[in-house]
Amino acid sequence: GQNIDQPTEMTATEGAIVQINCTYQTSGFNGLFWYQQHAGEAPTFLSYNVLDGLEEKGRFSSFLSRSKGYSYLLLKELQMKDSASYLCAVINSNYQLIWGAGTKLIIKP
Amino acid sequence: EADIYQTPRYLVIGTGKKITLECSQTMGHDKMYWYQQDPGMELHLIHYSYGVNSTEKGDLSSESTVSRIRTEHFPLTLESARPSHTSQYLCASTPGQGDTGELFFGEGSRLTVL
Repeated sequence: GQNIDQPTEMTATEGAIVQINCTYQTSGFNGLFWYQQHAGEAPTFLSYNVLDGLEEKGRFSSFLSRSKGYSYLLLKELQMKDSASYLCAVINSNYQLIWGAGTKLIIKP
Repeated sequence: EADIYQTPRYLVIGTGKKITLECSQTMGHDKMYWYQQDPGMELHLIHYSYGVNSTEKGDLSSESTVSRIRTEHFPLTLESARPSHTSQYLCASTPGQGDTGELFFGEGSRLTVL
């Protein structure tokens, strides 16, 4: 089968750094997305990785290792508004988008 | 800001009713999708479309239908609602350049079936 594994919940402190991991087993690979989803709202796009390495975008960075089937989302200088769920999704060889269940990130003052 | 709209935002109905959830986008995107999402769970693909007169079934399609008569409009119909259909329904679209484009989501339709 195909699956995406992410921690269910993480807690971090305002101003700190947090890393949210995602491991995947899919039939082929054509890219990996990270989305942010606030409670009761729709997901919004954060990043897309298709090649190995780190993509930096402001306070958020996303890393991919295709050989390890592994990605992480790094959030720096955490703010209270970063409290949300972070969804990892992989495009497989059939161009189907496989979604993880998301990691709920709780930011404490 | 994405221009994709869903109505109704919230709906409470009785078992056995027929309902249609509307989704419209003004971005000219060819590809549109319907997802179902329960709290804290992954998104499940219900139906998708690659353009006008194109519709495909996803993982949870058996109890619903869609149509794509116009590029901008992709309604989802439940013929006979059941309590198990209580969930959030998300519509999304993406430009038709390949299959790796960013998804733009509507704000969702939260359905409760009594």
